[in-house]
Amino acid sequence: AQKITQTQPGMFVQEKEAVTLDCTYDTSDQSYGLFWYKQPSSGEMIFLIYQGSYDEQNATEGRYSLNFQKARKSANLVISASQLGDSAMYFCAMRPNTGNQFYFGTGTSLTVIP
Amino acid sequence: GAGVSQTPSNKVTEKGKYVELRCDPISGHTALYWYRQSLGQGPEFLIYFQGTGAADDSGLPNDRFFAVRPEGSVSTLKIQRTERGDSAVYLCASSRLAASGELFFGEGSRLTVL
Repeated sequence: AQKITQTQPGMFVQEKEAVTLDCTYDTSDQSYGLFWYKQPSSGEMIFLIYQGSYDEQNATEGRYSLNFQKARKSANLVISASQLGDSAMYFCAMRPNTGNQFYFGTGTSLTVIP
Repeated sequence: GAGVSQTPSNKVTEKGKYVELRCDPISGHTALYWYRQSLGQGPEFLIYFQGTGAADDSGLPNDRFFAVRPEGSVSTLKIQRTERGDSAVYLCASSRLAASGELFFGEGSRLTVL
């Protein structure tokens, strides 16, 4: 069975500071992809970053980086230099390469404080 | 438009009625997904299309739910004899390739069953 766990229902961060959003996953598949999505109040899910299970380097996309620890089955999102526009729900997701489904966690609500 | 388009954005209906939700994916994307998102939860997989065929419908909760994609582009999610528990945001997403790449989501259709 595939499962994504996000243990932080809500997080607060000061503007310009960095924040880490936690994500752990459970899968028996050896090959999979890990994704982070942002969902602002408008409702649209916006892709942020991708990490393949065989990628040796941690993924980075601008202010977003993914702290991938395969042995711990952990894929935390790090947002550097937080901005007010970063306030949103953040979802971690996994897709086993043997299948087509994306499995999502329950999300973390991030609030950036001016 | 360039993104995934979903209509209607909001639908209020009475228990027992029939509802159709439409998704127009990004042009050229062969993979199309329907997800359901209840309040405070992550997206829950319903069905996946590769081209015209439903490659995986294991997430449909029961036989009241059905989806089609007759020409491999626009998809319609159909819900018969709606129940109050069907109230949720129904998200559509498309992807260029089935085996890789991120999902591009629409803004969702919010269904409220009274």
